[in-house]
Order: sequence, then structure tokens, then C-alpha cells
Amino acid sequence: AQTVTQSQPEMSVQEAETVTLSCTYDTSESDYYLFWYKQPPSRQMILVIRQEAYKQQNATENRFSVNFQKAAKSFSLKISDSQLGDAAMYFCAYKGGATNKLIFGTGTLLAVQP
Amino acid sequence: EAGVTQFPSHSVIEKGQTVTLRCDPISGHDNLYWYRRVMGKEIKFLLHFVKESKQDESGMPNNRFLAERTGGTYSTLKVQPAELEDSGVYFCASSPQGSGNTIYFGEGSWLTVV
Repeated sequence: AQTVTQSQPEMSVQEAETVTLSCTYDTSESDYYLFWYKQPPSRQMILVIRQEAYKQQNATENRFSVNFQKAAKSFSLKISDSQLGDAAMYFCAYKGGATNKLIFGTGTLLAVQP
Repeated sequence: EAGVTQFPSHSVIEKGQTVTLRCDPISGHDNLYWYRRVMGKEIKFLLHFVKESKQDESGMPNNRFLAERTGGTYSTLKVQPAELEDSGVYFCASSPQGSGNTIYFGEGSWLTVV
């Protein structure tokens, strides 16, 4: 069975600094997708970034980028130039290529210090 | 375009009572999902509808939970009778037809059973 592990329950970063959130996963599938979702205090979960396993290039979305290491089954999220609005719970998620079911990690609560 | 909407946003009920949660997916999305996050734990899949049909209900915890999606539009999740361990956040999500598309989440319905 697939699993997703986020080993950092909480992280803190200074405004304008860079922070990296860790995520590892386990799967025997070759076709899959990885996601980072963000849930701010307002509660709606928002997609931050997605990565298709078949793509070697790391996905980027403005200040958000991932370090996708397929062999190591690692999918970390880097937030550059952190802003106060980045404070949220961040969830790493996995989805097999033939399914619509997301498997989530336990989340990392990110605090941004002014 | 309206996102995934859920109602109620918060609900406090006594053990043994019934609660019905409602989800309106993004218009045109065939896929509708229910997930649950018990405090401090990972978000877990409950079930998946494709239009009005249950595609996967492997995550439903027991027969006290009943999900419906009549007409393939909105969905309801009923918990009857509620138990203390049912407390948590219930997320609804939707996505367009197919398995490679992004899944969009609602704000969640916070359920507290006392």
C-alpha cells in the first residue's frame, strides 16, 4: 500500500527567508502524481503545486518549487521569500495514475515570523 | 466560477444524534470525494462518486456513515448515530472527468460530537 510521510509536524521561518518542507512516500507504482496542498487558517485547502512522476523537471509555481527525487521517493517543497500569508498547514499527497484517491501525509504546520 | 462549497461549516451534536453534511462540487465535475481528518492525524479518504455512482467506498469507517449523490450533483454524508470518535473535519472535493486532473477541495465541515 502507498504511504506518505511528513516528518516535520511544525516548522518556522522568518519573513523573506526560504524554508523547505519534507515529504517522502512509498509506492510500487510507476505512474503517479504528487501534490502539495496548503490549508490556511481560513480552512480551505488549496493546491500549491503538482508533479507528474514521469516528468524529470521539478515543478515550480512562482515562489514555490519542489525537489522531486524519484529514486529516493522524496518530494520536498521549497518556499522562497516567505510571506506572512504562507502561514498554514501544508499537506503532501500522493495519487496513483489509475486512481482518483489521494493519500495524505500528516501535515506540517508552518509559522512565518515577521 | 464557484468552488466546492460545504455546509454546515461547523456542527456540534450530542453522541447518538444524526448529522447530515452537504457538498456542492464545482459545476461540471463528475468526480466527487469525501475525506476526513481526525484531529492531529492525516486526512483519510472516505469515498468517491463518479456522477451518481459510488466508485470506491473503501474508506467508509462503518455502516453509521451513509453517502448519497442523487442526480450526480450535490452530495450528502449522513452520520447516524454519531459517536465521539466521529469528531473531525470532513472535506469534500471534486475534479473533472478522468484520473489525471487536479482535485479541488472545499473548506471542510467541522464536526464535534460531545
